[in-house]
Amino acid sequence: DIQMTQSPSSLSASVGDRVTITCRASQSIDNYLNWYQQKPGKAPKLLIYAASSLQSGVPSRFSGSGYGTDFTLTISSLQPEDFATYYCQQTYNTPPWTFGQGTKVELK
Amino acid sequence: QVQLQESGPGLVKPSETLSLTCTVSGGSISGFYWSWIRQPAGKGLEWIGRIYTSGSTNYNPSLKSRVTMSVDTSKNQFSLELNSVTAADTAVYYCARQLTATTQPIDYWGQGTLVTVSS
Repeated sequence: DIQMTQSPSSLSASVGDRVTITCRASQSIDNYLNWYQQKPGKAPKLLIYAASSLQSGVPSRFSGSGYGTDFTLTISSLQPEDFATYYCQQTYNTPPWTFGQGTKVELK
Repeated sequence: QVQLQESGPGLVKPSETLSLTCTVSGGSISGFYWSWIRQPAGKGLEWIGRIYTSGSTNYNPSLKSRVTMSVDTSKNQFSLELNSVTAADTAVYYCARQLTATTQPIDYWGQGTLVTVSS
């Protein structure tokens, strides 16, 4: 299985901060990388697909980049509704489609 | 707006079979992959498997020997069976729609249903 490692596991930030989360794959996955946001008690929500494509309806302060093994999710100016846990997921080649362990973004 | 709703028992005894159904509304079930993902309390997400509307399946190898998925296009439903459950299978189970194009992201999720394995 392809292992996905996110860093950091958690971070504290303030409203208006620029936040960057990284995701590293154990082997090259081209751009087969998706990002999700999950709030407590809720299902995950798709933010970014194909490493850098913004899902319809998602605010433009969210962006993704990367190719191969290293990827980043950036929130350009953190808003109160962005405090959540973020997961990357690879969908390269054959299943299983594995997720990172998650990054919890908390209020400083 | 596509909506997914999981249904099934919230409590399953050890060694028995966990059975869940997902009902899709607001759109056709045809032409998409339909997935199951689970999340133990306080932990991350685990992809269980998916089924296409033709009935073809892909399962997580770690669960493959215990998992069966099926689809009923006439009812706009798909189902999960996980047999020989143990306490380690206790989790919130999500059904979801996985696109067939690009990087096959999961764009719609059910609200999730908690299944507890306990005697």
